[in-house]
Amino acid sequence: DGGITQSPKYLFRKEGQNVTLSCEQNLNHDAMYWYRQDPGQGLRLIYYSQIVNDFQKGDIAEGYSVSREKKESFPLTVTSAQKNPTAFYLCASSISLRDTEAFFGQGTRLTVV
Amino acid sequence: QQPVQSPQAVILREGEDAVINCSSSKALYSVHWYRQKHGEAPVFLMILLKGGEQKGHEKISASFNEKKQQSSLYLTASQLSYSGTYFCGTATGNQFYFGTGTSLTVIP
Repeated sequence: DGGITQSPKYLFRKEGQNVTLSCEQNLNHDAMYWYRQDPGQGLRLIYYSQIVNDFQKGDIAEGYSVSREKKESFPLTVTSAQKNPTAFYLCASSISLRDTEAFFGQGTRLTVV
Repeated sequence: QQPVQSPQAVILREGEDAVINCSSSKALYSVHWYRQKHGEAPVFLMILLKGGEQKGHEKISASFNEKKQQSSLYLTASQLSYSGTYFCGTATGNQFYFGTGTSLTVIP
């Protein structure tokens, strides 16, 4: 079955450490996205990529980095520069969000202590 | 650039109706609607395209007013399973943003 997979589901890290969240899709989608969700808030765009080897910053890219070396994979690194990294992170993919739906992974809940 | 939703929260009894609004400051190409249960990924409900017709399935439907840059989601005869947070998503050019969210709780 096609889908989008995020791992791990729960992640704990010490303050000051970088951590990488995995996102893989086998839907053959060109576009992939990373969102951050905090309690009581909507989904805020961190980074998005519309094609391999190309990505753009969203509204809250500071303290995050991404790569898109393969069509199927779009990992997100939360760096030590991110001041408040504890959050629920969602990865999504789509053919084109202008006229088709977004498919979401199950999310990664990151807790930094 | 994030679209604004209203109301922020609503509590319904089973069988009651609700309307959730989504408003953008930018011209929209399309509007999506998703429902998210706590701790889970958002689930796609429907998409409305510019120039398209009102959409719906079962007791959930939506409209899209391109001139006003607004969309509304209509839930009729609500069921307990409708509880969750509803998000609109708006596409403008190459940008896509989710709304602020509306928490909907259906009680027996």
